[in-house]
Order: sequence, then structure tokens, then C-alpha cells
Amino acid sequence: EPEVTQTPSHQVTQMGQEVILRCVPISNHLYFYWYRQILGQKVEFLVSFYNNEISEKSEIFDDQFSVERPDGSNFTLKIRSTKLEDSAMYFCASRDTEYNQPQHFGDGTRLSIL
Amino acid sequence: GQQLNQSPQSMFIQEGEDVSMNCTSSSIFNTWLWYKQDPGEGPVLLIALYKAGELTSNGRLTAQFGITRKDSFLNISASIPSDVGIYFCAGQWRLTGGGNKLTFGTGTQLKVEL
Repeated sequence: EPEVTQTPSHQVTQMGQEVILRCVPISNHLYFYWYRQILGQKVEFLVSFYNNEISEKSEIFDDQFSVERPDGSNFTLKIRSTKLEDSAMYFCASRDTEYNQPQHFGDGTRLSIL
Repeated sequence: GQQLNQSPQSMFIQEGEDVSMNCTSSSIFNTWLWYKQDPGEGPVLLIALYKAGELTSNGRLTAQFGITRKDSFLNISASIPSDVGIYFCAGQWRLTGGGNKLTFGTGTQLKVEL
């Protein structure tokens, strides 16, 4: 069964550094998402992306965050100047364009900011 | 913002017992989804509900979309050890062509005793 893949599985970065999290959505999907889960808490929506532009973003997704689809297969989340509170699991999700199709999630990248 | 409260927060049950958990919202959704998350992995879709009042089964799992569109429950019959994990409800306001972000509940942690 096709799946969403994310790399790396764990990223350790110094505070203030830039980090790029990578995702390969399911191949025929056209809607892409990033979510965040702080340890022990619920999953929170960050951003949705369709047709090469952001369709919706949450208040968490401020100017330090950006997303990009640099080619036909990858979808990336960049955090420009990381802060300690950015430490979390980051999940990528994708879904088909058909009306009733649900989102499918990757296994996440654990981001640790030191 | 939208709040989804799940109860119970955690459950410790005997193998073979039935389990029931529910999710209530401060606002309405037109789609309810139930996901399971194992440690170190992303959420995996269990059941999707698209109409108020809908009752849907997936093996030993049964979920219902509340008639008010503000709640949903998930039942697991005859629990087994691999049912251990965190169960999340998620509400979605589904729009044709829209971003369709998910709002996740607070989670129910299920532990099964042999």
C-alpha cells in the first residue's frame, strides 16, 4: 500500500539554526499538510498546500515557517531560526483530490532543538 | 478556536473487554475521523464518518457520527494486546477543493492487561 515517507526520522539542531524537514507524499495525491505534535500533546494543524500555494495556515505557522514543493515528489517544511519550543514531532500528510478521501500520515520527524 | 475533548483520557482494561471512548466538540464538523497512534509512528486512519447519525464498522471497531455533528464515539469489542496505543478523534469541515484541515482531539491512551 502506498505511504507517506518522511526524512529524517530524527533531527537534532542547535537553537537559531535553520532546519528542513522532507516529505514524499503518496504519488497521486495533490493536497499536502504539515502537523505538529509536542510531546504528550495532541496533533496540531500547521499548514495545507495545494496547487503550489498555501490554502490555509494556523497561527502557529508564523514567518519563521515556510513550505515548498521543489519538484514533483517532495514537499518540505523549513523552519528558519529554530527555537527551543519548536521541539516536537512533525507529521506530513497527503490526500487524494476526490471529495471524500481522508488524509494519510507519515511516521513523522522528531525535531530536537538544543 | 475549535476544541475537541476526548474521554476518558486513559483506560486500563483486561484483554477481551469492550472499550468505549468519545469525543465532543464546541463546534460542528461535517466529517469525523478516528486515528490510532503507536509510539514513534504517525496516526493511522481507523474509521471515517461523513454523515450525521452514520454508524460504521471496521472489524472489531465501530464508530458513530453524532446527530448534532458535535460528537462521535468509538467502540472496540473484545480488546487484544495490539489495541494498545493512543486513539485520536479528528474533526474536519470538508469543502470541495478546500484545504480541509483536521482538528484533533486530546487523545485516549488505551492499555490492555493480559
